[in-house]
Amino acid sequence: GQSLEQPSEVTAVEGAIVQINCTYQTSGFYGLSWYQQHDGGAPTFLSYNGLDGLEETGRFSSFLSRSDSYGYLLLQELQMKDSASYFCAVRTGANNLFFGTGTRLTVIP
Amino acid sequence: GAVVSQHPSRVICKSGTSVKIECRSLDFQATTMFWYRQFPKQSLMLMATSNEGSKATYEQGVEKDKFLINHASLTLSTLTVTSAHPEDSSFYICSARQGANTEAFFGQGTRLTVV
Repeated sequence: GQSLEQPSEVTAVEGAIVQINCTYQTSGFYGLSWYQQHDGGAPTFLSYNGLDGLEETGRFSSFLSRSDSYGYLLLQELQMKDSASYFCAVRTGANNLFFGTGTRLTVIP
Repeated sequence: GAVVSQHPSRVICKSGTSVKIECRSLDFQATTMFWYRQFPKQSLMLMATSNEGSKATYEQGVEKDKFLINHASLTLSTLTVTSAHPEDSSFYICSARQGANTEAFFGQGTRLTVV
């Protein structure tokens, strides 16, 4: 079967840095994506790692280690609007996207 | 990024009735569309994958006769929840991609409440 594990909740202070980890066990692996979802809204795409290493997009960075079946999302200079749920998702095939359990990030002043 | 529009955003229906949800790709042709269901504070669970002009592929445990999916054109897929019951109340989200190995974009979701 497929499984992706993330911490269920993380709290961090405005302006700080937070890392959300994701470990996965899937039958196929094309790459790891990260999505942000605010309450009541749809997921929005943040980043994608197809190869090992770090991808940086503004305040957000994402890392992948295929040998460790592990990745993380790094959020820098946290803002209150970053409070949301963050999902890692594994592309298990050309068309399949399997989502993790989600991490609820709360940014406090 | 590409725009995917989902309609309606909210719907309340009586138990036993059917509800149709539309998912449209507005500025690209979507060869593949996906339907997810999300219960409160839980992850997105893939229900089915639909390819234009062919039958949808349903995930294990999803009743194909209850959740009818039609993908009649490259810009429109519909999900019909037939004979809805309160346990079908959930957040339904579609996503669409232009081709294999391209990123998928999500619609804004439909909050279904069955009373």
